Amino acid sequence: QQQVKQSPQSLIVQKGGISIINCAYENTAFDYFPWYQQFPGKGPALLIAIRPDVSEKKEGRFTISFNKSAKQFSLHIMDSQPGDSATYFCAAIDRAGSYQLTFGKGTKLSVIP
Amino acid sequence: NAGVTQTPKFQVLKTGQSMTLQCAQDMNHNSMYWYRQDPGMGLRLIYYSASEGTTDKGEVPNGYNVSRLNKREFSLRLESAAPSQTSVYFCASSPQHGVTEGYTFGSGTRLTVV
Repeated sequence: QQQVKQSPQSLIVQKGGISIINCAYENTAFDYFPWYQQFPGKGPALLIAIRPDVSEKKEGRFTISFNKSAKQFSLHIMDSQPGDSATYFCAAIDRAGSYQLTFGKGTKLSVIP
Repeated sequence: NAGVTQTPKFQVLKTGQSMTLQCAQDMNHNSMYWYRQDPGMGLRLIYYSASEGTTDKGEVPNGYNVSRLNKREFSLRLESAAPSQTSVYFCASSPQHGVTEGYTFGSGTRLTVV
């Protein structure tokens, strides 16, 4: 049972464009939603995270939008750059229960010049 | 500032062979984790150690064993490797179980079982 569904599987965006990655979850006990960025040959690294009592969080060019009623959240990368080309994972954690991170399957982003 | 160090980086095993993947962290974190990453599957938790002296199964523990040797080190053992265990393995650590701030991954071990 996949608890966090991520789409699309791959994404190609022109330099300067907006990259949008979507995730949906099923477990209403999830109470924290981080995004990870992974470059080839490296481990994932925390990019940005949001709590469910906040509808939006912005850090530089990266923004998380969160819709609690729809159980959906998304990552927007504004002014996408070739250096943003990486695999992005959404994740969710139940910090009052299992404490385990559950990851989406990942989105491979390619930003072309 | 080593963070989380995994050894080896690459390994090829024959079916039935055994091996141990090593992981060490130098951030004084209490919790450590082993994940496997397969194409199109994301990261799946194999085992974790919430604190020194404890280990628990994750989502995909079959075929693996772990040892929390001390606070710094957490090893993953494949007793009889199978081709289905071909994957990239990541070790991670966090200050406390359930805390994602400071959650740090190693660079991975790419394992091929032939």
